[in-house]
Amino acid sequence: DIQMTQSPATLSAFVGDRVTITCRASQSIGSWLAWYQQKPGKAPNLLISKASSLQSGVPSRFSGSGSGTEFTLTISSLQPDDFATYYCQQYNSYSTFGQGTKVEIK
Amino acid sequence: QVQLVQSGAEVKKPGASVKVSCKASGYTFTGYYMHWVRQAPGQGLEWMGWINPASGGTIYAEKFQGRVSMTRDTSFRTAYMELSRLRSDDTAVYFCARGIAVSVIFDSWGQGTLVTVSS
Repeated sequence: DIQMTQSPATLSAFVGDRVTITCRASQSIGSWLAWYQQKPGKAPNLLISKASSLQSGVPSRFSGSGSGTEFTLTISSLQPDDFATYYCQQYNSYSTFGQGTKVEIK
Repeated sequence: QVQLVQSGAEVKKPGASVKVSCKASGYTFTGYYMHWVRQAPGQGLEWMGWINPASGGTIYAEKFQGRVSMTRDTSFRTAYMELSRLRSDDTAVYFCARGIAVSVIFDSWGQGTLVTVSS
C-alpha cells in the first residue's frame, strides 16, 4: 500500500498569511494526487486534482504543485473561510489519504 | 444538480451487519462509479472501495475484503454498502462519493451516515 504523510498536522495562521502544506508519498505516484478541504460535520470538497489542476469554482488563491513523491498545497492569502482540515489523496494505486492538516486561526 | 442522499444513523452491536444506502439524482446513475469512504471520529479519511453501477462490478480495499459488499439498484438509482462482523473500531461516518470518470477522486459526496458499534 502507498502511504501518504502530511505535514504539519496542525497549522496556526493569521488571515492574509501564505500557507503551505506538504504531502509525501511512500513511493512515486506521478501526478496522481488530489487535495480536499473538509469543514466540521461536512463532507470533503475537492480542490485540486492531478497535483495542480484547480477544480471549477475553487478560488485561485489555492494552488498545488509537485510530482513523484513530494507535493504541496499553497493558499496564497488565507481567508476566514479557509480555516478547515485539508487532506491529500493519492490515486495512482486505488486510493490512500494523508492524515490531514488542520488550519487554525492564530 | 448532483445530489447523493444517504440513509440515517445506525446503532449496531458488535458482530452485527449494517447496510447504508445512497440515492443519487441529477445525473446518469450508471455513468459514474460510486465509492465509499469512511471517517472514524476525529480521524482521517479511509477509502473502502467502489461499485460500477452499470455492470455491478466492484473493487474493495484489501482491508475490507470479506467483510464489505457494495451493490446497486439501478431502478432506484441507489447504491448500497453493507459491512458485516462489525467491531467497535468500525464506528465511523460512512460517505458515498461519486467518482470522476474512472479515477478514484470524488466530485460529489453524500452527507454521511454515522454508524455506531456498541454493546
